[in-house]
Amino acid sequence: DTEVTQTPKHLVMGMTNKKSLKCEQHMGHRAMYWYKQKAKKPPELMFVYSYEKLSINESVPSRFSPECPNSSLLNLHLHALQPEDSALYLCASSQDAQGGYGYTFGSGTRLTVV
Amino acid sequence: GQNIDQPTEMTATEGAIVQINCTYQTSGFNGLFWYQQHAGEAPTFLSYNVLDGLEEKGRFSSFLSRSKGYSYLLLKELQMKDSASYLCAVTYNTNAGKSTFGDGTTLTVKP
Repeated sequence: DTEVTQTPKHLVMGMTNKKSLKCEQHMGHRAMYWYKQKAKKPPELMFVYSYEKLSINESVPSRFSPECPNSSLLNLHLHALQPEDSALYLCASSQDAQGGYGYTFGSGTRLTVV
Repeated sequence: GQNIDQPTEMTATEGAIVQINCTYQTSGFNGLFWYQQHAGEAPTFLSYNVLDGLEEKGRFSSFLSRSKGYSYLLLKELQMKDSASYLCAVTYNTNAGKSTFGDGTTLTVKP
């Protein structure tokens, strides 16, 4: 298995909703990432988990809450989002946080906040 | 902070060679990635350079000069399917997993 699987592929949520994005990989990668990508912009790093511990939080608002239940799973819990949070949310993994063999990206969750 | 520059758009002809440049200014530089991203899809890994020099992988090659803060991606024998955005990304703060992407170069391959 050489893929990163993200669910759901599309999500529409209201500003008072609570939802979660899920990411799964079975490549034995020990680093996992959340990125946010707006249209025609590059991915922006949000969080890094290394060996299931949060190693980087790029000053992301607390309405985004990451969770790494085990080495294969990464969740992003969403609560009280704003319309400007609408974007493509990409999960990625790499062998380790140095990323020397590159990141494998999931196909993303396209989030719309209404 | 981190600063990465690449051209916004490039156009080339099928069968030709194109070079996409990337310059960067970053502290704690670790390595440089190139990714390809087709519209509406996730980025796919192309190359990773840590040391100076040229790395060749089929039709794609990537070059790095750490002293000049410069890299390029060379695409040979262009095909229509190579039309995509090409993202340069630098990693820094070794072991922490930090990375920053450039804005990407949109390459259009014409017949």
